[in-house]
Amino acid sequence: NAGVTQTPKFQVLKTGQSMTLQCAQDMNHNSMYWYRQDPGMGLRLIYYSASEGTTDKGEVPNGYNVSRLNKREFSLRLESAAPSQTSVYFCASSSQGQLYGYTFGSGTRLTVV
Amino acid sequence: SQQGEEDPQALSIQEGENATMNCSYKTSINNLQWYRQNSGRGLVHLILIRSNEREKHSGRLRVTLDTSKKSSSLLITASRAADTASYFCATDGNTDKLIFGTGTRLQVFP
Repeated sequence: NAGVTQTPKFQVLKTGQSMTLQCAQDMNHNSMYWYRQDPGMGLRLIYYSASEGTTDKGEVPNGYNVSRLNKREFSLRLESAAPSQTSVYFCASSSQGQLYGYTFGSGTRLTVV
Repeated sequence: SQQGEEDPQALSIQEGENATMNCSYKTSINNLQWYRQNSGRGLVHLILIRSNEREKHSGRLRVTLDTSKKSSSLLITASRAADTASYFCATDGNTDKLIFGTGTRLQVFP
């Protein structure tokens, strides 16, 4: 099925550990995004990539890095996880940025202890 | 900072009733979008309305946009239990990315 695939679905990390969240889309979309969702906060943009080879910071980029590996894949890395990064992370893609609706993945639930 | 704020935060209705959710935003926009999120799932795009449009329909959904008041509303007619979800508005703020509001939790009782 066409869409956005995120891995893993669940992860528990210890403070200071690192990990990479993977995201891949098979819709030939140019733009990809990483959001985090916390209770009562809605979704906040971490990083986005308007096209292959470009990345830009969103609203809450501190503590994260991203890589747009190719047109299909956009990964999010936590270099040294902190309890404040406990959240649900969503990857999304779109054909022309904000001009059309986004397609979201099913999310990664991350707990940092 | 959130670009959009939904109102109410939570809404409970009976099946068959209409549900209305409102969204206010802060800056000028190219378009405004509405999304639905079922518990534990990703967001699903419902409808997009451009800044030069005032009203748009899709099935049981009706969206209005008032750019002079920087506000939008989402009406779901003849609600069903399956409409139980959180609903988010999102705006682009004339940029190349969407900023989401905090959402309205809708509960539809059978």
